Amino acid sequence: EVQLLESGGGLVQPGGSLRLSCAASGFIFSSYAMNWVRQAPGKGLEWVSAISGSGDSTYYADSVKGRFTISRDNSKNTLFLQMNSLRAEDTAVYYCAKVRSASIVGATNYWGQGTLVTVSS
Amino acid sequence: DIQMTQSPSSLSAFVGDRVTITCRASQGISNYLAWYQQKPGKVPKLLIYAASTLQSGVPSRFSGSGSGTDFTLTISSLQPEDVATYYCQKYNSAPLTFGGGTKVEIK
Repeated sequence: EVQLLESGGGLVQPGGSLRLSCAASGFIFSSYAMNWVRQAPGKGLEWVSAISGSGDSTYYADSVKGRFTISRDNSKNTLFLQMNSLRAEDTAVYYCAKVRSASIVGATNYWGQGTLVTVSS
Repeated sequence: DIQMTQSPSSLSAFVGDRVTITCRASQGISNYLAWYQQKPGKVPKLLIYAASTLQSGVPSRFSGSGSGTDFTLTISSLQPEDVATYYCQKYNSAPLTFGGGTKVEIK
């Protein structure tokens, strides 16, 4: 059974940093690309970042480029999102999500339960 | 970047009705399109990928069609458990943009 468990969310001041983690199990982690997707309170889904199965290729939404860094540790089956220079508009539930393929060219077939990030003073 | 536009943003229909949601890409994306269902307070769920392939376990009343720029999600007979917000997403290349969502309610 595929399981994705996010952690690391919380309350942070504007300009601060957080590092989200996603522990994956139930599949061969290194064989699949992974996404971070966020959802602001009462709003729609917003794709944030993606990383290939090998970790060699990374992609970002313009809204987070230069501030967020996606990475993965395939030896520990864990996905990360380092978030710096946080803004109020980054407040959202952040979902870790598995892609159906090793490249990012695939639909997302499993989602974690999400972790809430609140940016406020 | 390619924009994804869904319509309508919300709809209300009777149980048993045929419901159609449209997603339009600002440029062609072949069939690199997925549809997701998000029930209130729940995590999104993949319904359809490659524009028309039903994800395993999804009821057959859901179907998808289209290619290029125009796509459709159809619920052939709306059920109470289909109350949710539906999203399309392009995945041919980054950014992997979602549509704005369509909220489906029961009359």
